Amino acid sequence: GQQVMQIPQYQHVQEGEDFTTYCNSSTTLSNIQWYKQRPGGHPVFLIQLVKSGEVKKQKRLTFQFGEAKKNSSLHITATQTTDVGTYFCAGHRDDKIIFGKGTRLHILP
Amino acid sequence: DTAVSQTPKYLVTQMGNDKSIKCEQNLGHDTMYWYKQDSKKFLKIMFSYNNKELIINETVPNRFSPKSPDKAHLNLHINSLELGDSAVYFCASSQFGITYEQYFGPGTRLTVT
Repeated sequence: GQQVMQIPQYQHVQEGEDFTTYCNSSTTLSNIQWYKQRPGGHPVFLIQLVKSGEVKKQKRLTFQFGEAKKNSSLHITATQTTDVGTYFCAGHRDDKIIFGKGTRLHILP
Repeated sequence: DTAVSQTPKYLVTQMGNDKSIKCEQNLGHDTMYWYKQDSKKFLKIMFSYNNKELIINETVPNRFSPKSPDKAHLNLHINSLELGDSAVYFCASSQFGITYEQYFGPGTRLTVT
């Protein structure tokens, strides 16, 4: 069946360092979304990527969708304590959605 | 105003009981969902309702039944609760369908003892 693998599962970084999480799908996706869940909170939509090779930026966050529409990445430049949380990708195909297992980001002060 | 609300926030109950979780959205969205997030934080879709019709029914036990009295509400009823049902359940909604951004409720933490 369709799978969306997300790595790493955990990431500890010093405040100010960069962070990247990756999603890889076994099948071509129609689009991919990214969500952030703060500790004790609920997932919050960050962005959606639709086009092959698409790159979008939100301040320190850069999102990419691969040329084959099978992989995606989220890169955070110069992390801050407010970036703490779990980042999920969610791949869409054939009216189905599959969430990656998330990358839990911990910031060391 | 809360966009997607759920009640209760916490639910502690014993095995074998039947319980319901309520969800309401005031965004005017067409589609609502139920997700289960286990202790490892894995998020899995359970159900999706579009205009009061079930359009996704992932492989969940038939003890779980979604009920949508109208477009703004999607309740989750669980019969004969089991220990493994302990999790956080999130309601979500989106406009038009599953490929659109989803707005999640605050979650209901269910603990079965």
